[in-house]
Amino acid sequence: KNEVEQSPQNLTAQEGEFITINCSYSVGISALHWLQQHPGGGIVSLFMLSSGKKKHGRLIATINIQEKHSSLHITASHPRDSAVYICAVYGGSQGNLIFGKGTKLSVKP
Amino acid sequence: GAGVSQSPSNKVTEKGKDVELRCDPISGHTALYWYRQSLGQGLEFLIYFQGNSAPDKSGLPSDRFSAERTGGSVSTLTIQRTQQEDSAVYLCASSPSGSVGGYTFGSGTRLTVV
Repeated sequence: KNEVEQSPQNLTAQEGEFITINCSYSVGISALHWLQQHPGGGIVSLFMLSSGKKKHGRLIATINIQEKHSSLHITASHPRDSAVYICAVYGGSQGNLIFGKGTKLSVKP
Repeated sequence: GAGVSQSPSNKVTEKGKDVELRCDPISGHTALYWYRQSLGQGLEFLIYFQGNSAPDKSGLPSDRFSAERTGGSVSTLTIQRTQQEDSAVYLCASSPSGSVGGYTFGSGTRLTVV
């Protein structure tokens, strides 16, 4: 079993829809990242969370440490949101991130 | 620099040749990480440098892979006797003092072994 599980693996949405991507993890963590990877490979860190909720524009990320679960929400989705979204957890002992396999989002106009 | 810089952005090499990939982290970031993303796969940890400490090499897939970090700044990932399964995007990231905040990725080097 992977230490970080994301769902769904693939998601197709119509422009304007509300989108949720889920991440569950099995290891103890000190923080969690949501990353965005556009075609071509560049990775951008969207959020770093250790508790609660963060909001940036149309993006909202939540984390429940007790349940070992995080969600990334996109409101009023747009075709430019099409990308792979990756959940990554930071255990702290090694310093490296442990990644989920990503969710490929495609938003149709 | 303003971001994590990797070079080259693309590299095509013949099977059996050695390659060197370079990462220039954000100035002042003491932690540097190498990751690999193979086609259709998730990101895989390779190696982690933190300051002057011995690097964590636990993710290196074979002894053909090695990395060094000179002067606590620039890092070079070397793959000897490349194989086709080494084809992947190699990503470098850096962060201040090994903390998760400020984690910044480079744009990667796409390696193709033919």
